[in-house]
Amino acid sequence: DTGVSQNPRHKITKRGQNVTFRCDPISEHNRLYWYRQTLGQGPEFLTYFQNEAQLEKSRLLSDRFSAERPKGSFSTLEIQRTEQGDSAMYLCASSPRGESYEQYFGPGTRLTVT
Amino acid sequence: ILNVEQSPQSLHVQEGDSTNFTCSFPSSNFYALHWYRWETAKSPEALFVMTLNGDEKKKGRISATLNTKEGYSYLYIKGSQPEDSATYLCAPRAGGTSYGKLTFGQGTILTVHP
Repeated sequence: DTGVSQNPRHKITKRGQNVTFRCDPISEHNRLYWYRQTLGQGPEFLTYFQNEAQLEKSRLLSDRFSAERPKGSFSTLEIQRTEQGDSAMYLCASSPRGESYEQYFGPGTRLTVT
Repeated sequence: ILNVEQSPQSLHVQEGDSTNFTCSFPSSNFYALHWYRWETAKSPEALFVMTLNGDEKKKGRISATLNTKEGYSYLYIKGSQPEDSATYLCAPRAGGTSYGKLTFGQGTILTVHP
């Protein structure tokens, strides 16, 4: 399968714990996005990488959130000291270089904070 | 910040019915409009990317129209089938938006009953 992959697919954690999610974009896609979707809402933009550079962060991304994309390939999203409000679906998308309109999404990681 | 509205929020139809949904967005500074279909436990799947006023696109039984002057898009499904059951998301992209981040509506949840 050459699509966007995300791991884990589901994560249950206790409040206060740290969690890390991984996204593997489509090979050679230089643009990578993270979105978050909560119940009843559409996905909301969190952050954007072009190659290894994080070029934009939403104000939704509090200091407890950090994202990296070392070497411009896979990306990780870490949430420290999780809160119940962090429970959501975390989606990753990638798109190729150039003036492309398409964003290809992974299946998401469902986080539940108890 | 784009204000994107989708209606209805949910829709139940019988197999064979035709249906349509609406996506409303600010008409100023428009760049592109994306439609996605998101089935449970799967990745959001791109249906259409539309850029020009008056655009009409079709994929099988699904079609979409775009009016950028008044800021709306319609998605039509002809002869709905149970496998069409999904959440349909629209996401406009504004001109000058950094790197193509999408602003999603809350989605229309379609359930097609056999």
